Amino acid sequence: EDQVTQSPEALRLQEGESSSLNCSYTVSGLRGLFWYRQDPGKGPEFLFTLYSAGEEKEKERLKATLTKKESFLHITAPKPEDSATYLCAVQAISTSGTYKYIFGTGTRLKVLA
Amino acid sequence: SQTIHQWPATLVQPVGSPLSLECTVEGTSNPNLYWYRQAAGRGLQLLFYSVGIGQISSEVPQNLSASRPQDRQFILSSKKLLLSDSGFYLCAGSRDSNQPQHFGDGTRLSIL
Repeated sequence: EDQVTQSPEALRLQEGESSSLNCSYTVSGLRGLFWYRQDPGKGPEFLFTLYSAGEEKEKERLKATLTKKESFLHITAPKPEDSATYLCAVQAISTSGTYKYIFGTGTRLKVLA
Repeated sequence: SQTIHQWPATLVQPVGSPLSLECTVEGTSNPNLYWYRQAAGRGLQLLFYSVGIGQISSEVPQNLSASRPQDRQFILSSKKLLLSDSGFYLCAGSRDSNQPQHFGDGTRLSIL
């Protein structure tokens, strides 16, 4: 069964304390992996797309990497404004040939000043 | 860039009442459009998606339906709401199947 698992479920960091969030997946026919940031009561905000193993993308204090089985979202020297839920989603091809998106349940990040 | 508009932000409805949530898209033509439901502690569940006017695919059998009367308009409906329909509903759009989805700010639906 296609699955996307994110860990940890919740993470508390001190300001400046770097860490990584994990997104592991088991899907057939991976087309792309997406990272989103979601603030409370808001829709997810697109961050990155990764298409192939070895690919990396960066934006400010965030860097996303991709292997054949998982993706990491590295947060360097986080600030309180980085507090949010980070979602991972995988786009795969179903057996019928259509695209499908599978979202993880997210990692709730809290950065303390 | 693409912008997704959803309204209302919050809605409280009695059991058995009808529902109509609207989503409109700016910044792109012929987008792929999606309706999701997000439950606390769970991932986004895809409800419907559309690749064009009048073309709707349903992912999960349920009490809801969707329609796309115009290129940039996507509507989520129900004739009779159930308690289990409570949740956070998100509309999303993408330029095509290979592009990332962009989301609206959602509707928090509470059924009493």
